[in-house]
Amino acid sequence: GESVGLHLPTLSVQEGDNSIINCAYSNSASDYFIWYKQESGKGPQFIIDIRSNMDKRQGQRVTVLLNKTVKHLSLQIAATQPGDSAVYFCAENLGNQGGKLIFGQGTELSVKP
Amino acid sequence: NAGVTQTPKFRVLKTGQSMTLLCAQDMNHEYMYWYRQDPGMGLRLIHYSVGEGTTAKGEVPDGYNVSRLKKQNFLLGLESAAPSQTSVYFCASSYSYQPVAKNIQYFGAGTRLSVL
Repeated sequence: GESVGLHLPTLSVQEGDNSIINCAYSNSASDYFIWYKQESGKGPQFIIDIRSNMDKRQGQRVTVLLNKTVKHLSLQIAATQPGDSAVYFCAENLGNQGGKLIFGQGTELSVKP
Repeated sequence: NAGVTQTPKFRVLKTGQSMTLLCAQDMNHEYMYWYRQDPGMGLRLIHYSVGEGTTAKGEVPDGYNVSRLKKQNFLLGLESAAPSQTSVYFCASSYSYQPVAKNIQYFGAGTRLSVL
């Protein structure tokens, strides 16, 4: 079916450590993936995206990895800071269904100072 | 640059009352969306629009209606509110759905609705 799920609902890390947030998707037709960050009381904010013809994309302190063989997506945050504490969502875009995104359940990242 | 603006930010309704949530975007985006977010769940698409004058059903459309009379505005209506519609509602907009152009959806700050 069409679903995007996260392996871990919560993740607690020490400030300065690296964080890895995982996401599994089930639709082979998905051609585009996005990671969003949602802070408490706010709307989701775009972090980074990746197209299905890529397996890695880097931004500022963040890296997204895509493994199409096992339908797995991950978000790596380097040198995690207290300001990174939030809920992180992955979303997949089904190429044949227009602009609709399917969102995962979300992982709450907690950074200990 | 305001981006996506939602009004109101908070609202409490009694069962059976009606209301309209307003979403406005100033990015000249073609696509607009309404989602609801419930505890422990991701965002679920209610309705969306691919352009002025068009609307389409999403994953959970029952109990809601929408209108897109102007390109910059997308209205979500609840004709007869039910407690099951207690949720946080988010509006989003995007330039295009084409992967080449990237379907990055930009979100508003949300409307917290409680139906008693």
